[in-house]
Amino acid sequence: AQSVSQHNHHVILSEAASLELGCNYSYGGTVNLFWYVQYPGQHLQLLLKYFSGDPLVKGIKGFEAEFIKSKFSFNLRKPSVQWSDTAEYFCAVIHSGNTGKLIFGQGTTLQVKP
Amino acid sequence: NAGVMQNPRHLVRRRGQEARLRCSPMKGHSHVYWYRQLPEEGLKFMVYLQKENIIDESGMPKERFSAEFPKEGPSILRIQQVVRGDSAAYFCASSEAGSSYNEQFFGPGTRLTVL
Repeated sequence: AQSVSQHNHHVILSEAASLELGCNYSYGGTVNLFWYVQYPGQHLQLLLKYFSGDPLVKGIKGFEAEFIKSKFSFNLRKPSVQWSDTAEYFCAVIHSGNTGKLIFGQGTTLQVKP
Repeated sequence: NAGVMQNPRHLVRRRGQEARLRCSPMKGHSHVYWYRQLPEEGLKFMVYLQKENIIDESGMPKERFSAEFPKEGPSILRIQQVVRGDSAAYFCASSEAGSSYNEQFFGPGTRLTVL
């Protein structure tokens, strides 16, 4: 069965530290990849997405992610986190050409200490 | 432009009662998706609907759960005879079209607590 795995369940960083959240998926076909963020008390928002082309994609708020096809990975990065980045982060996959079914990872809770 | 609306935001039910969760998609969106998030887990796909049609219900439990998206009005996720294990956050998302290239916009969720 297709699945998405996020390695870190809870990450605690100090402000200005660099962030990398891991995401691996299991599916041999072509996929579209997403990172969503859920700030406390708010709904899920799209951070960035990858469909094709340059495997390094840039999203909102200084986030970026790199698609490495050979590793089935789509890790999220940010060079310098801020306290306002405290949130839950979800990696998600959908099979290209498929409809509807986003498959989510378990989520990573990021806590940034001021 | 209002986003995806869900109501109620919080719902408390006793075992055996019915829960009805509503989702109004973004304006111009005719595709709706329901996801469930159990405690300490990620979101799990439940069902994908277009107006008056269920496109994919592969994630729906076989019993007690049903969903509809009528021609007029919001999409409804209905859970009959709720049990404690139904306690979860239920998220609705909508998109303009149904392909994998269309972004799904999420609502704030309904947190269901079954006593």
